[in-house]
Amino acid sequence: GDSVTQMEGPVTLSEEAFLTINCTYTATGYPSLFWYVQYPGEGLQLLLKATKADDKGSNKGFEATYRKETTSFHLEKGSVQVSDSAVYFCALSDEGGSYIPTFGRGTSLIVHP
Amino acid sequence: GAGVSQSPSNKVTEKGKDVELRCDPISGHTALYWYRQSLGQGLEFLIYFQGNSAPDKSGLPSDRFSAERTGGSVSTLTIQRTQQEDSAVYLCASSLEPPRLAGGHTDTQYFGPGTRLTVL
Repeated sequence: GDSVTQMEGPVTLSEEAFLTINCTYTATGYPSLFWYVQYPGEGLQLLLKATKADDKGSNKGFEATYRKETTSFHLEKGSVQVSDSAVYFCALSDEGGSYIPTFGRGTSLIVHP
Repeated sequence: GAGVSQSPSNKVTEKGKDVELRCDPISGHTALYWYRQSLGQGLEFLIYFQGNSAPDKSGLPSDRFSAERTGGSVSTLTIQRTQQEDSAVYLCASSLEPPRLAGGHTDTQYFGPGTRLTVL
């Protein structure tokens, strides 16, 4: 079945540091890939997505590139801010499988001033 | 426009009591999902509604859990005879397109703020 594996957190960084959160996946079909962010006390919200290989999703300074050859969708940001502190979820939606998206376990990011 | 809303935002109940959690999806969204998020855990899928089709209940953890969606809009998740292990944040999400129209993929999901359930 489908699965999403994220690096375990928490990830703790100083403001303006470079961020990478790794995400790899397995899927039976050709999935769409998503990053969702959950700020404290809130529900998840879409951060970015990519629907085909080599697509780059970007939003709010975050980027992720759909790498079919390595089955990865790593999230990056060049300079994090304290306000980026949140939990980040990688997810996939597989055309060949269930219509229920598969989520990773989430990675907590803590950014210190 | 209005997003997904959930009520109540917090619910404290005693073990053995029944609870109802409500979700109002975005108007026009045909797909609705319920998830459970326990402390430090990822999202656990519970149930999925798509239009007038029979719901996918494959994620419900026991027969104490049930959900309905009236008129293709509002959904209620009911937990009977609550147990302490039911304590979690229950999240609802909706999406616009049926998967077959979205190229076979689930469209972007829009999440509500969640209901935090505490069973004493």
